[in-house]
Amino acid sequence: KQEVTQIPAALSVPEGENLVLNCSFTDSAIYNLQWFRQDPGKGLTSLLLIQSSQREQTSGRLNASLDKSSGRSTLYIAASQPGDSATYLCAVRTSGTYKYIFGTGTRLKVLA
Amino acid sequence: SQTIHQWPATLVQPVGSPLSLECTVEGTSNPNLYWYRQAAGRGLQLLFYSVGIGQISSEVPQNLSASRPQDRQFILSSKKLLLSDSGFYLCAWSVQISYEQYFGPGTRLTVT
Repeated sequence: KQEVTQIPAALSVPEGENLVLNCSFTDSAIYNLQWFRQDPGKGLTSLLLIQSSQREQTSGRLNASLDKSSGRSTLYIAASQPGDSATYLCAVRTSGTYKYIFGTGTRLKVLA
Repeated sequence: SQTIHQWPATLVQPVGSPLSLECTVEGTSNPNLYWYRQAAGRGLQLLFYSVGIGQISSEVPQNLSASRPQDRQFILSSKKLLLSDSGFYLCAWSVQISYEQYFGPGTRLTVT
């Protein structure tokens, strides 16, 4: 059974810092991994999607990497801004299923 | 471009009353559709998913049910709500190529 863990649960950093969010999964037979952002009381916004054959994806100040063999993905945020404050979730789709398993998220606060 | 709608945005219902939440997707055809619930301080729990009209897979054997009467319409229902049904309900869709997921704005349900 696929399990997804995100560490840390919460993170507070000063503006301008580069930071890394972690996502671990127990079953390496995945189809893809997706990173989302959720603002309080809102739906999820897709940030990056990494297919199982890819090693990383980049969008602006965001870079996500995937290491299937070790069951890990990281989301790198460069030059953090107060507007980056939100909860970040990762989700894994295991091969052979249509289901996505979500981590419990990392709550990020960027201080001005 | 694709758009996903959910309504209502907020709902307060007494215990024992029925429930109907609706989700529609525009700008795509034959999407996979998903219902999730997010309880306070917890991760996303997959409730139902559908890969085609009339096809429903249930992940949570509780007093909720789902239906897909049209290709881009997904409905979540209950005949009698419980206090434990309170939460934030999110609808999502994915394309059948990349399987990237996109979320609606959510419905906040409070059962009193």
